[in-house]
This record gives sequence, C-alpha cells and structure tokens, in this order.
Amino acid sequence: DAEITQSPRHKITETGRQVTLACHQTWNHNNMFWYRQDLGHGLRLIHYSYGVQDTNKGEVSDGYSVSRSNTEDLPLTLESAASSQTSVYFCASSESGDGYEQYFGPGTRLTVT
Amino acid sequence: KNQVEQSPQSLIILEGKNCTLQCNYTVSPFSNLRWYKQDTGRGPVSLTIMTFSENTKSNGRYTATLDADTKQSSLHITASQLSDSASYICVVSLYYGGSQGNLIFGKGTKLSVKP
Repeated sequence: DAEITQSPRHKITETGRQVTLACHQTWNHNNMFWYRQDLGHGLRLIHYSYGVQDTNKGEVSDGYSVSRSNTEDLPLTLESAASSQTSVYFCASSESGDGYEQYFGPGTRLTVT
Repeated sequence: KNQVEQSPQSLIILEGKNCTLQCNYTVSPFSNLRWYKQDTGRGPVSLTIMTFSENTKSNGRYTATLDADTKQSSLHITASQLSDSASYICVVSLYYGGSQGNLIFGKGTKLSVKP
C-alpha cells in the first residue's frame, strides 16, 4: 500500500544546530507540504512543492528551507534551530489540482533545548 | 483576514449519543471545505471534502453540511463510538487557480466519548 512516512518520529536538539526532518511518500504525488502544529494554533503551512525542483514559502517559512530533487521526498531543514521551533511537524502529499485530499504522515515531535 | 473558527473547543458525550460540531469561516476566495479527524499522536485523516455547490456529504456515521451563503459548516456524528474520541479539524481551501491552494486550518474540537 502507498504511504507517507516521516523520520525521525522524535528529535531533541540544541539551539543553533542544523536539523533535517525527512518525508517520503510512495503515492507518486506531485504536491507535498510541510506543516507545524502547536497548542492554541491550527496547523500552519511552512513550505510546499508542486513538483520536482519547485518549492514555495508558506505562512511560517522563516528559519526553514526545503528542496525537492525527486517526486518521493521533501526534506525540511531548520538552518539554526531555535526554541520557538519546538513543535510537531507534519508532512502531507496530494495529487495535483484542486479538491484532492491531502494525506498526512505520522508527524515528528521536535524539541529544541 | 482568512480565518476558520470552530466550536465548541471540547466536548464530552456518552457512547451511542449523537453530536454536532460547528465551523464558521471567513476565507476568500473559497474553493472547498474539509473535515479531518486527528487521533492523539497521529496525523490528520480526511473525512469529507465539499465544494461550494455541495451542501451535504456523508462518510459512514459522519455527515458534513455546508452553507456557503452564511459560511458555516457542521459535522454530525451519529451513534458515537469510543473510537470517535479525537480532534476534529475544519479546513478551508483557498482557490488558487486550479492548483491546490493554501489550506486554512481551524484549531479543532476535541471530542471525548465516554462509556
């Protein structure tokens, strides 16, 4: 069965370190998204991609970057981790075009100390 | 400002009872409205997606309604089960010229079903 996976599931890092969260999907979807989820907020879009070599900034992109070198993967990099980036991160993918559902990964809980 | 507001924030019901969750939105341009279920510690899972022309959509014991004129939606759960305990998130998609636009997420309603 097709799926979307994230790794690691839990990560503790120190302020100032670079961290990369992995997202891999086997749906062969063109669209991929990264969100963060914090108490008191709905999920917020960090970055998204409509295909290979395409990346776009979302609502809360400062301090994050992504790259899309193939269809299956969209890694999220925190260039210099900050305590404000402690959160649960979700990756999602969908087919191209409007109206298609997004399939979410299981999430990565990141703690920045 | 594009916003999605959900009520109540939390709800406790007894197993077997029905309940209705509310969603109001101020999102423009509107493309579609989605309801997701999120179990604790897991990613959201889609329940329904409705465009402005659809006013009711069902998925098993879940029935979503949409009134595009008043910008309101509801999710009705019939004959609740313990496994319905989760957060239910209302999401509105911005129209983005045919591509999948940004999704605006509500904060969710946390439902607890007690035996």
